[in-house]
Amino acid sequence: GAGVSQSPSNKVTEKGKDVELRCDPISGHTALYWYRQRLGQGLEFLIYFQGNSAPDKSGLPSDRFSAERTGESVSTLTIQRTQQEDSAVYLCASSITGFNSPLHFGNGTRLTVT
Amino acid sequence: GESVGLHLPTLSVQEGDNSIINCAYSNSASDYFIWYKQESGKGPQFIIDIRSNMDKRQGQRVTVLLNKTVKHLSLQIAATQPGDSAVYFCASLGNYGQNFVFGPGTRLSVLP
Repeated sequence: GAGVSQSPSNKVTEKGKDVELRCDPISGHTALYWYRQRLGQGLEFLIYFQGNSAPDKSGLPSDRFSAERTGESVSTLTIQRTQQEDSAVYLCASSITGFNSPLHFGNGTRLTVT
Repeated sequence: GESVGLHLPTLSVQEGDNSIINCAYSNSASDYFIWYKQESGKGPQFIIDIRSNMDKRQGQRVTVLLNKTVKHLSLQIAATQPGDSAVYFCASLGNYGQNFVFGPGTRLSVLP
């Protein structure tokens, strides 16, 4: 079956603009995660959705970042008033249960803020 | 804060040799661990996982060892091949058992 799909694959935006990143998880996966990966670095947790529970937003770096998920399907990560420091690859992952099961990652959206 | 770190940021091995990538984690309550491989321009790819009730698990050419006493795990790759060249990350469940904490990664280079 299809894996995790993210769009766009690349996004270049001007400082101060808003951007919206999309993630289509694997069908049937109840958990969805967003991570940020700066160049040459590890993965930084942003937000976690599990079914209909309130999302874990503890990793969002500022109030410019927000994310939504419709049921157990598509999720969007929105960054408002982008800053150059937001430049990174944004990775989405889904898993069957959200705990004790592996994450399946998409190929990410590379965001460049000029 | 909680962290998952690696002892060696880069590792170069000869093709055909065995590779060992190490990882230390800080959350003693973590009970699930995963190794990922990430190639350039791609998302991390699942390699193997292990639960805390085990200390060793084997896959195809890969073995993960878990030492809960010292909060350390390792990934062993047998007969390393050029296609194994990538960045390897370990991950463990965070303090609240939901988000996964990743380390900075080890770049494995396979020399011909």
